[in-house]
Amino acid sequence: GAVVSQHPSWVICKSGTSVKIECRSLDFQATTMFWYRQFPKQSLMLMATSNEGSKATYEQGVEKDKFLINHASLTLSTLTVTSAHPEDSSFYICSARRTGTGDGYTFGSGTRLTVV
Amino acid sequence: AQSVSQHNHHVILSEAASLELGCNYSYGGTVNLFWYVQYPGQHLQLLLKYFSGDPLVKGIKGFEAEFIKSKFSFNLRKPSVQWSDTAEYFCAVGPRGSTLGRLYFGRGTQLTVWP
Repeated sequence: GAVVSQHPSWVICKSGTSVKIECRSLDFQATTMFWYRQFPKQSLMLMATSNEGSKATYEQGVEKDKFLINHASLTLSTLTVTSAHPEDSSFYICSARRTGTGDGYTFGSGTRLTVV
Repeated sequence: AQSVSQHNHHVILSEAASLELGCNYSYGGTVNLFWYVQYPGQHLQLLLKYFSGDPLVKGIKGFEAEFIKSKFSFNLRKPSVQWSDTAEYFCAVGPRGSTLGRLYFGRGTQLTVWP
């Protein structure tokens, strides 16, 4: 079946540094990838939608300069949290929408980011 | 605005008990409906989905859900839960025909099953 590999699964970084999270579709091409953020006891909130080869579409309230998203190929999207602060600590999950199947989504395993 | 409500935040059951998790959504158009499960330390997995047709859909591991259009609901059920069903369950709605293709999630329901 369709697999999305997300890594790292967890990362601890110092305040002010940047962290990159990768999301790869292993056995299918993903024209669209989604990045979600999940706070404890809360829902998954969409941060941005990335389409291969074009700029990401950010949800209202999400700082595009802080959360840099790159979708340079049909199998890889990256989320870079720049100048991370403790309030950025969260669980980030990517999902990929499979080409040709309008409603097929596969999720990565998530990344637990802790900024100290 | 689109929204998804899951009424139960934490459900605790004994093995063999029946389960029903509520999900209501608010959206003005046609939607696809999903239930996902997240076991501890694992990624989200699709339990079942509804696109069209029979409003009673069956998923993996004995789960089923019923779409009631008039109530904007998509409740998840299982007649007899097992300890291994302990996980977090998310209801999600995807507007049909949306060019963006995003999903809207409920806040999740933590299910704890005691052996």
